[in-house]
Amino acid sequence: KAGVTQTPRYLIKTRGQQVTLSCSPISGHRSVSWYQQTPGQGLQFLFEYFSETQRNKGNFPGRFSGRQFSNSRSEMNVSTLELGDSALYLCASSSTGVSYEQYFGPGTRLTVT
Amino acid sequence: SQQGEEDPQALSIQEGENATMNCSYKTSINNLQWYRQNSGRGLVHLILIRSNEREKHSGRLRVTLDTSKKSSSLLITASRAADTASYFCATGGPFYNQGGKLIFGQGTELSVKP
Repeated sequence: KAGVTQTPRYLIKTRGQQVTLSCSPISGHRSVSWYQQTPGQGLQFLFEYFSETQRNKGNFPGRFSGRQFSNSRSEMNVSTLELGDSALYLCASSSTGVSYEQYFGPGTRLTVT
Repeated sequence: SQQGEEDPQALSIQEGENATMNCSYKTSINNLQWYRQNSGRGLVHLILIRSNEREKHSGRLRVTLDTSKKSSSLLITASRAADTASYFCATGGPFYNQGGKLIFGQGTELSVKP
């Protein structure tokens, strides 16, 4: 099976812009979770989608949003970018999202200037 | 916010030695998992231990879980230079629909010198 893919891999944006990141899970996986990784805050959970519904949400402002399509592919959007949004954004998929290991994509490195 | 602490934050050993990393967490869990990350890339799942298990082995990895102390340890035996990476523990919440939400520790940076 193909692994989790994320596009784009690298992105440079200017403060105030918005950005959309994409994640394609492993075939058959219905749960997609998103994480932000920064040197200061470490790995932080953003949100999880399961069968097109947001099932869990982390403590991030409303500028961070996501969605999941019927084929389980997911997108996350960050509006009004801030310098502090510079991070590695990781998505992970799992078969049911219940007590199962997650399979991570390579991440999207976002730099906000 | 982070679930808990990992220690040490950094560990440097020689090839062939054993490496032990510890993780503590704060809330009730369904399971605890360990992941490895090489140089800012994606995470690779290593092992999962459920809350009703006390010890688990996978190849050169041994994980223990003490739910009374809310702590876990990861032992890598006979380490190799290729084991050089950051290691993270992550916990899944106790409820059925929380499996997709992992809370990660700060990580241990392991360096194995040839």
